[in-house]
Amino acid sequence: SQQGEEDPQALSIQEGENATMNCSYKTSINNLQWYRQNSGRGLVHLILIRSNEREKHSGRLRVTLDTSKKSSSLLITASRAADTASYFCATVSSGGSYIPTFGRGTSLIVHP
Amino acid sequence: EAGVVQSPRYKIIEKKQPVAFWCNPISGHNTLYWYLQNLGQGPELLIRYENEEAVDDSQLPKDRFSAERLKGVDSTLKIQPAELGDSAVYLCASSLGGDRATEAFFGQGTRLTVV
Repeated sequence: SQQGEEDPQALSIQEGENATMNCSYKTSINNLQWYRQNSGRGLVHLILIRSNEREKHSGRLRVTLDTSKKSSSLLITASRAADTASYFCATVSSGGSYIPTFGRGTSLIVHP
Repeated sequence: EAGVVQSPRYKIIEKKQPVAFWCNPISGHNTLYWYLQNLGQGPELLIRYENEEAVDDSQLPKDRFSAERLKGVDSTLKIQPAELGDSAVYLCASSLGGDRATEAFFGQGTRLTVV
């Protein structure tokens, strides 16, 4: 079963624009993680945000978390063609086993 | 530092044949996962190991799938017999374990095609 739901399913932008992807989930979480997947490098961890955090930054990435709305967003600023990939959110529930549970992903295409 | 290593990268087999996938996690990582990823979907957990113990295997179809992690390091995932619907990418991941706030590191995956 998939816990997170990314939105939109697909996003197409021009190089230099910002890209925003959203993730909604259903159960209480310990943390939420964002991953990127492309054919060249497989699935790569981008950033982790804990349930008591509201915002984190890493380079051109900005992640927000709203636990009251059970949602998170990933913002990629000044996008590059190399950012073309699928982006997944993965949640780790607050109770039970530590298992990153993935959504279906957002497919991002950045046109040069 | 070497990442998670999986082999083979690609495998094509006929239905009803057996197949095995191998994973070598990052050194020192106690937790190992096997995920299955269908085209256009996110990874779905098959089994999780803490050292050599399988602690989450409720999603593993035990009638045809089996896994082992001898000595708590390398792991193998086996399908016998394979069915057409098993065509997917099989991903192995590892993490430090013991702390829920650690990320998982993934291998490149094995793309299985059952014909």
